[in-house]
Amino acid sequence: EAQVTQNPRYLITVTGKKLTVTCSQNMNHEYMSWYRQDPGLGLRQIYYSMNVEVTDKGDVPEGYKVSRKEKRNFPLILESPSPNQTSLYFCASSPFQGVGELFFGEGSRLTVL
Amino acid sequence: DQQVKQNSPSLSVQEGRISILNCDYTNSMFDYFLWYKKYPAEGPTFLISISSIKDKNEDGRFTVFLNKSAKHLSLHIVPSQPGDSAVYFCAVYNNNDMRFGAGTRLTVKP
Repeated sequence: EAQVTQNPRYLITVTGKKLTVTCSQNMNHEYMSWYRQDPGLGLRQIYYSMNVEVTDKGDVPEGYKVSRKEKRNFPLILESPSPNQTSLYFCASSPFQGVGELFFGEGSRLTVL
Repeated sequence: DQQVKQNSPSLSVQEGRISILNCDYTNSMFDYFLWYKKYPAEGPTFLISISSIKDKNEDGRFTVFLNKSAKHLSLHIVPSQPGDSAVYFCAVYNNNDMRFGAGTRLTVKP
């Protein structure tokens, strides 16, 4: 089954404790992206990657890091999480470079205390 | 500064009637437009799209209309069904830049 898989789906952590949210897709897509969803603000792009070893900042990259060492994986790293990073996070992939249909994961709800 | 606005946070319609969801954008450079649908505890799923060279695209019960001069797009669902109850996001795209609206929660009552 074609899918984008995120882990963990739910996480409660404390300020400053490094965490990684993994994202993996099995569709051989070149384009991958991370979004956060906050009430009243919709989906805002954090980082995106056009291909392996190519990553770029989105609208809200501060406090986040990403890497794209393999085509299928695009982890989101919070080196020192803060409460304002409490949000619902979505990973997405696309066979096209940013245009067209995005395939989203099921989301990861992160709470930073 | 939000470049994409969905001014109605929620919409309630009766089953069988038409649902109209609206979206406005500010930058005329956007040339591709999409609607996504999201159920609780799931990721958004693609619904329908339209390029700037068209003003209408239809897929079954779903039709998207684009008014470039007004920088406005709308999604029509007819007839609406209870299973259509979800949050709908519009998205606009140009040159690797995709922007989403805040979403409209549609409730279709039986």
